Amino acid sequence: EPEVTQTPSHQVTQMGQEVILRCVPISNHLYFYWYRQILGQKVEFLVSFYNNEISEKSEIFDDQFSVERPDGSNFTLKIRSTKLEDSAMYFCASNLSGGPSKSQYFGPGTRLTVL
Amino acid sequence: DAKTTQPPSMDCAEGRAANLPCNHSTISGNEYVYWYRQIHSQGPQYIIHGLKNNETNEMASLIITEDRKSSTLILPHATLRDTAVYYCIVHNAGNMLTFGGGTRLMVKP
Repeated sequence: EPEVTQTPSHQVTQMGQEVILRCVPISNHLYFYWYRQILGQKVEFLVSFYNNEISEKSEIFDDQFSVERPDGSNFTLKIRSTKLEDSAMYFCASNLSGGPSKSQYFGPGTRLTVL
Repeated sequence: DAKTTQPPSMDCAEGRAANLPCNHSTISGNEYVYWYRQIHSQGPQYIIHGLKNNETNEMASLIITEDRKSSTLILPHATLRDTAVYYCIVHNAGNMLTFGGGTRLMVKP
């Protein structure tokens, strides 16, 4: 069964450093998402991406964040200058089409620790 | 998206059916009911979704009341591996899923 994959599984970085989290969505999916979950808190939506553009983003997704689909398979989340409060699990998801009729499939997550 | 209300926790005996309720009294006609689960900080796992009719797949059944104001996720024969947080999400327009606190299901031997 096809899966969303994410690398690395755990990333440790110093405050102020840039990090890039990588995702390989399911191959025929067209919509891509990033969510995050701070330890002990709810899963929060960050951004959705379709046709090489951001289609929706939350208040959390400020200028420090960017997303990119650099080739036909990868989808990346970049945090330009990490802060302590960026420490969280980051989940990538994908689905065949946007909107509510098609389910989103999530990857296993990247645990980001900012020191 | 409409708000959902779920009990914070439930227990179930291994091998028995787990029935997880969800209230979504403000749901509108074009909003889908989705269920996901999260096993110990892993990525949320899609279980099932429906609009009006009851749905069944290899993992679970979804029962939606006729007025659509509540639903129940049924795991017919719960195993220890079904211990997880279960999220009921009402999804309308847009692409984002809004996760609440969910129900922490503990399956006990």
